Amino acid sequence: NAGVTQTPKFRVLKTGQSMTLLCAQDMNHEYMYWYRQDPGMGLRLIHYSVGEGTTAKGEVPDGYNVSRLKKQNFLLGLESAAPSQTSVYFCASSQRGGSKKGELFFGEGSRLTVL
Amino acid sequence: QKEVEQDPGPLSVPEGAIVSLNCTYSNSAFQYFMWYRQYSRKGPELLMYTYSSGNKEDGRFTAQVDKSSKYISLFIRDSQPSDSATYLCAMSASNAGKSTFGDGTTLTVKP
Repeated sequence: NAGVTQTPKFRVLKTGQSMTLLCAQDMNHEYMYWYRQDPGMGLRLIHYSVGEGTTAKGEVPDGYNVSRLKKQNFLLGLESAAPSQTSVYFCASSQRGGSKKGELFFGEGSRLTVL
Repeated sequence: QKEVEQDPGPLSVPEGAIVSLNCTYSNSAFQYFMWYRQYSRKGPELLMYTYSSGNKEDGRFTAQVDKSSKYISLFIRDSQPSDSATYLCAMSASNAGKSTFGDGTTLTVKP
């Protein structure tokens, strides 16, 4: 059972470089999310998607873009990386309805360092 | 002011102790309340789930929600070293799963 898979798991960038984080889920979930986690600040929502072809801004969207071209994939892009984007990024998915509405299934995280 | 405030840690207890973890919130629209457990360098995993007010028990874990006070708690009985992790409270107003998280409390249970 793969669940939610994130690639890459680690990445070091220089300021100004661009990169894309890929999230894939095999649970046929409608909803997908990108969170960032910083020490002492919990999880903050960057962007989310309620279905294929749709995206919406979360709490901290600046500096990031996302795309959901396929239901199972959710991509997070950094066009011009900044040191403030050094963080651990978590992708999550959830199903519409079910007995535990809103339960999030997380990937293992992608650690990004911007020098 | 944050929508969700979680008691800060870290928290260190001896094995067998009762642990109480707490969060308060300000958004009265929240109706789904969750506790996630996160081991070091891993993604969070759902531990407890409660809809609206009330108590829910699962083994050594009990989740309480008091919507009138906007206060939720997680109790761990007979704590074990394997319970050492960061505990995150999370809340959502709808079933779209767009949850708001507390900052987390790191718990260490010493043998």
